[in-house]
Amino acid sequence: AQSVAQPEDQVNVAEGNPLTVKCTYSVSGNPYLFWYVQYPNRGLQFLLKYITGDNLVKGSYGFEAEFNKSQTSFHLKKPSALVSDSALYFCAVRDTYSGAGSYQLTFGKGTKLSVIP
Amino acid sequence: GAGVSQSPSNKVTEKGKDVELRCDPISGHTALYWYRQSLGQGLEFLIYFQGNSAPDKSGLPSDRFSAERTGGSVSTLTIQRTQQEDSAVYLCASSLGTNTQYFGPGTRLTVL
Repeated sequence: AQSVAQPEDQVNVAEGNPLTVKCTYSVSGNPYLFWYVQYPNRGLQFLLKYITGDNLVKGSYGFEAEFNKSQTSFHLKKPSALVSDSALYFCAVRDTYSGAGSYQLTFGKGTKLSVIP
Repeated sequence: GAGVSQSPSNKVTEKGKDVELRCDPISGHTALYWYRQSLGQGLEFLIYFQGNSAPDKSGLPSDRFSAERTGGSVSTLTIQRTQQEDSAVYLCASSLGTNTQYFGPGTRLTVL
């Protein structure tokens, strides 16, 4: 079975500082990995994904994530945080193992990011 | 272009009543998913439709939950005899094949 862990419920960072939101995963086959962001009373907004290729993936709003197969991690990063980045961030995985069933995503519990002015 | 839309945005109902939640996917997207987001359980997969194939219903929590997708487009999630533990935000997503899933704004269901 596939699973995702986001070890931090909340991350606080000062505006202008780099930010990291952590994610580790477990799958049987190769993973497809995603990051989504959720603003209050809104749906999930896609940020970026890793399917194959370069381990460093760049996405929307200056965010990037690094796929590390040996550590089974996919941490989200941004060089300089903005107050407007404050939101709830979700990491998700899809297992490409043929016996994994259909194509639903398994999500982490979410990490609340607060960027302090 | 237009994204995934869901209606209603909010629904308040009494315990024991039936509710229907609607999802309009992105035009041309062949796959449609329903998820539930609640404080205690996080984001949970409910059901998946792909083209004309039989849906994957493995995430439905009980037989009170059902969903259909008409004409390969609009989907309706029905909850019969609602219970207080059904209170949650119900999210719909669509994708082109098995690519990135794009989510709608959700329907917040409150069961009194």
